[in-house]
Amino acid sequence: DTGVSQDPRHKITKRGQNVTFRCDPISEHNRLYWYRQTLGQGPEFLTYFQNEAQLEKSRLLSNRFSAERPKGSFSTLEIQRTEQGDSAMYLCASSPSILEEKLFFGSGTQLSVL
Amino acid sequence: AQSVAQPEDQVNVAEGNPLTVKCTYSVSGNPYLFWYVQYPNRGLQFLLKYITGDNLVKGSYGFEAEFNKSQTSFHLKKPSALVSDSALYFCVYQGGSNSGYALNFGKGTSLLVTP
Repeated sequence: DTGVSQDPRHKITKRGQNVTFRCDPISEHNRLYWYRQTLGQGPEFLTYFQNEAQLEKSRLLSNRFSAERPKGSFSTLEIQRTEQGDSAMYLCASSPSILEEKLFFGSGTQLSVL
Repeated sequence: AQSVAQPEDQVNVAEGNPLTVKCTYSVSGNPYLFWYVQYPNRGLQFLLKYITGDNLVKGSYGFEAEFNKSQTSFHLKKPSALVSDSALYFCVYQGGSNSGYALNFGKGTSLLVTP
């Protein structure tokens, strides 16, 4: 069990650029979640995968955001035409496909949009 | 709308004293409630959960929480605080199947334990 891994740890970009983050969940965890956390707030749910299927998206996820999980393994979150309001910590979490099970979180990717 | 509320932005306590971090919930049905902790520069970590059964739930690092249905509360407690307990604590409820059982976080309470 190597834990949930996220890459990069930090990303600084200029407004209008595209960025992509990667998440490697714990192996054999079927569920994968993306969250966003801004300073002074709790993490907010963005989207969820069951294996390779994206089953739920929050209204926070505008059409500039897209997430994929090919082959049900790692996942990517892409933000197109970044805005300063996108600056946040982006967290990935995974869990086994069992109700009531806790989530295992990665350390996150801190995005700064200048 | 379902939610959890953490009424205190910050809790200060002296080392060795008992600590309480408050949480109230507004969740329909039988709530699945959790506490998570976030240490500086580290990922969110699970502390404990309440699903059903005994109202007093014991978790990691000596923490416990009491589920109180009549008061709709789920306060986090520890008999004797350590400086190393200083962190950001989140009360959490689990959503239903339509969100993939995603966790929904309160805004967090910053705990500061002074020597």
